[in-house]
Amino acid sequence: DAGITQSPRHKVTETGTPVTLRCHQTENHRYMYWYRQDPGHGLRLIHYSYGVKDTDKGEVSDGYSVSRSKTEDFLLTLESATSSQTSVYFCAISEERGSQETQYFGPGTRLLVL
Amino acid sequence: AQSVAQPEDQVNVAEGNPLTVKCTYSVSGNPYLFWYVQYPNRGLQFLLKYITGDNLVKGSYGFEAEFNKSQTSFHLKKPSALVSDSALYFCAVRDREYNFNKFYFGSGTKLNVKP
Repeated sequence: DAGITQSPRHKVTETGTPVTLRCHQTENHRYMYWYRQDPGHGLRLIHYSYGVKDTDKGEVSDGYSVSRSKTEDFLLTLESATSSQTSVYFCAISEERGSQETQYFGPGTRLLVL
Repeated sequence: AQSVAQPEDQVNVAEGNPLTVKCTYSVSGNPYLFWYVQYPNRGLQFLLKYITGDNLVKGSYGFEAEFNKSQTSFHLKKPSALVSDSALYFCAVRDREYNFNKFYFGSGTKLNVKP
C-alpha cells in the first residue's frame, strides 16, 4: 500500500456529528488526495494537497474540509456528517515525476452515518 | 475535461479463457491512461499505465492493455483468466491542470471468473 495508512478503518457515527479521518504516509510524498467511492460512481475527488498547508477542492468537496500541517498527515473532516456521506473513503499519494506520475492508494475507511 | 467510460458494469468469464475489460476515454491532448484493480475490502492497486510508446502495455499479474488512438480505447486484457483475478477494475485518465496532475476514474467493472 505504498506506505499509506488510514485511520480509523471503520466508523459508525450519527447525523450531525463531526468526523475526522486521518491519512498517514511514511515516504515524504508531496501530493495527497482524498476520494470517496460509491457504487456506480467510481472514485470521486474530494480534496487534494500539493504541500504543507496547500490544499484545494475537488469535484465533491461540499461538506468536507481538509488540513495538512505536516507532510506525512492529511486529515479529512466531515463538519456535520449526513447520511449521504456514508461511503468508503480512500487516501492516495503521488510524487511529481513528470509524465511518470502514478497514484497509490491507502486501504480505505468505511464510514456509516446513521 | 478529461473522462473515461467503462461500458460494462460486470464481465463474466470462465477460468482459462481470455478476458477483456473495456475502457474508452475522452481527452484533449496526449492521453495518460491507467488501470487499477481493487480486491474486496482493499484499496486500489496500480496495474499498468500508458504514457507514450508501444500501444501494448504490459503490467502486473499477466495483465496487458492495448491503447487504440483511433477508437479512443484502452482495453484491459489477459490471455488466460484465473479465479483469483475476480475483482473490481478501474480505468483512469490523468489530466494536467495548473501544473498539477488530477486523476479521473471510470465507474468500475466487476470481473467474475468462474472455475
